Amino acid sequence: GENVEQHPSTLSVQEGDSAVIKCTYSDSASNYFPWYKQELGKRPQLIIDIRSNVGEKKDQRIAVTLNKTAKHFSLHITETQPEDSAVYFCAASITGSARQLTFGSGTQLTVLP
Amino acid sequence: DTEVTQTPKHLVMGMTNKKSLKCEQHMGHRAMYWYKQKAKKPPELMFVYSYEKLSINESVPSRFSPECPNSSLLNLHLHALQPEDSALYLCASSSQGRGNYGYTFGSGTRLTVV
Repeated sequence: GENVEQHPSTLSVQEGDSAVIKCTYSDSASNYFPWYKQELGKRPQLIIDIRSNVGEKKDQRIAVTLNKTAKHFSLHITETQPEDSAVYFCAASITGSARQLTFGSGTQLTVLP
Repeated sequence: DTEVTQTPKHLVMGMTNKKSLKCEQHMGHRAMYWYKQKAKKPPELMFVYSYEKLSINESVPSRFSPECPNSSLLNLHLHALQPEDSALYLCASSSQGRGNYGYTFGSGTRLTVV
């Protein structure tokens, strides 16, 4: 089955700096890679996703890059703000029929004011 | 309606109790999921329903019993749970079509077994 590794497990940055979280996956058949933000006590919320036919996607301060050959993808947050502090999970799946998301272990991001 | 609704939000139950968690969505999604999440850990898949049929059971103990009465509803029946089953239980749904990929998660039920 799919295995997703995520690094780092914790990340502290100063407000305004950039944050990068990296994930690798094992199953070359995976073709969908979402990122979720989870604040304490709340549900995971999809913040950005990328499909395997795209190398990069950007949404305001958030971007995701995908390297299919190396089987890794990364989340980039620029101009970080205190409200970006949360746990971030990457995930991988195969699209089409009912599919399970395989999650990375999570990154606790803390943005220091 | 673009939400997945879970009830109750919080549940405290004894080890001899029987309770049920409920999940509802009206987005026309034909795949529904139960995940279990411990603090500071990623969600762990428990069950997948596709077109109201159980398609994946990730070796979950029989004290957890899922049910999908129709395409909008998903239940999780709980019986004789253990304290280590205390966790956040998340329901999610997704479209089956190739054009849609994302999961929508419910807010979860915070379960405490005493």
